[in-house]
Amino acid sequence: DQQVKQNSPSLSVQEGRISILNCDYTNSMFDYFLWYKKYPAEGPTFLISISSIKDKNEDGRFTVFLNKSAKHLSLHIVPSQPGDSAVYFCAASGGGSQGNLIFGKGTKLSVKP
Amino acid sequence: KAGVTQTPRYLIKTRGQQVTLSCSPISGHRSVSWYQQTPGQGLQFLFEYFSETQRNKGNFPGRFSGRQFSNSRSEMNVSTLELGDSALYLCASSRQAVGNEKLFFGSGTQLSVL
Repeated sequence: DQQVKQNSPSLSVQEGRISILNCDYTNSMFDYFLWYKKYPAEGPTFLISISSIKDKNEDGRFTVFLNKSAKHLSLHIVPSQPGDSAVYFCAASGGGSQGNLIFGKGTKLSVKP
Repeated sequence: KAGVTQTPRYLIKTRGQQVTLSCSPISGHRSVSWYQQTPGQGLQFLFEYFSETQRNKGNFPGRFSGRQFSNSRSEMNVSTLELGDSALYLCASSRQAVGNEKLFFGSGTQLSVL
């Protein structure tokens, strides 16, 4: 049973517009959420995170929103750039060791010039 | 500061063989985690090591094993390879073994089992 779901395998956006990537989770014990970005032939790189005590965290063009009641988080990229084209993984943690870090299956974002 | 180094980058094996993958974490990082990535399956947690001790293990068969050395370098071994073991194996390191630590990933080892 998937505890972290990214229901959109792919997303295509025009350069300069907003990209919204969604993630749902089922485990109410998760208290920390992270987004990683992965380019082909490279390992994932950390993008942004949010603690469950917050509902929003912003870092430049990237903002993550957390809706605990809906068990939903989203990553907003504004404005989107062609270099943002990558696979984005949502991950959730319930604390403890890294074994509690659960990843979604990823969403492939394509930003078209 | 050097990143996480995984060797080899590519590996081709046949069914029944065994394979050993290596991971050198970022200097000063004591936690090393291993993940398997297959198309459409995201990142599946294999195991985590901290200070030479396995702290956690994912839902993989016993053919998958690992270890960590005193210098924090880690190896994972897969015995009796099956076709379904073909995947990208990623190693990640962090300073501490806590779930909300930022992970630093290597570029992975692409394993193909024929």
